[in-house]
Amino acid sequence: AQSVTQLGSHVSVSEGALVLLRCNYSSSVPPYLFWYVQYPNQGLQLLLKYTTGATLVKGINGFEAEFKKSETSFHLTKPSAHMSDAAEYFCAVSASGGAQKLVFGQGTRLTINP
Amino acid sequence: DADVTQTPRNRITKTGKRIMLECSQTKGHDRMYWYRQDPGLGLRLIYYSFDVKDINKGEISDGYSVSRQAQAKFSLSLESAIPNQTALYFCATSVQGTAPFFGQGTRLTVV
Repeated sequence: AQSVTQLGSHVSVSEGALVLLRCNYSSSVPPYLFWYVQYPNQGLQLLLKYTTGATLVKGINGFEAEFKKSETSFHLTKPSAHMSDAAEYFCAVSASGGAQKLVFGQGTRLTINP
Repeated sequence: DADVTQTPRNRITKTGKRIMLECSQTKGHDRMYWYRQDPGLGLRLIYYSFDVKDINKGEISDGYSVSRQAQAKFSLSLESAIPNQTALYFCATSVQGTAPFFGQGTRLTVV
């Protein structure tokens, strides 16, 4: 069985500061890992995903995440926050090679202070 | 036009009523999913379908049923709605090896 824990339901940073959203996962099989973003009153949009290969994954809008197997982590970062990054972010895991039955974390709401 | 369309976008219904949420897609994907989002709980899988003749229960299927009418259509029904089914419902689609693509969601309120 898989599970995801996102550390911090709310994160607040200043515009221009580093964004770090934490995600730890549990999986009995090699995982596929995902970050999605949800803007107000919208659906979920894929930011990036890790399947196999390079452990540093680059996504849209300047975000990236690093898969660390030894730490069972997949933290999301962005060097410089922009006001438009304010949204809710979800980390998710699925079993590799099969159906994309994602298991989601509880979400982290990111606030950007001017 | 949206690739994954959910109807209705918003619905208020009374306890005990039957309600159907519909999802249609133009992405040509074979796999479709229904998720439920609650504040502080993230999204949880209700049902999923790999093709028209394949239906599988997810984590929280009790109180829900689904119908895959065609490859492009996947409906979610609440046979007798109850207040704790008030939530945001998402349909998603995928093919093997790709990340699920989500619709815009249906906000359901049961009073």
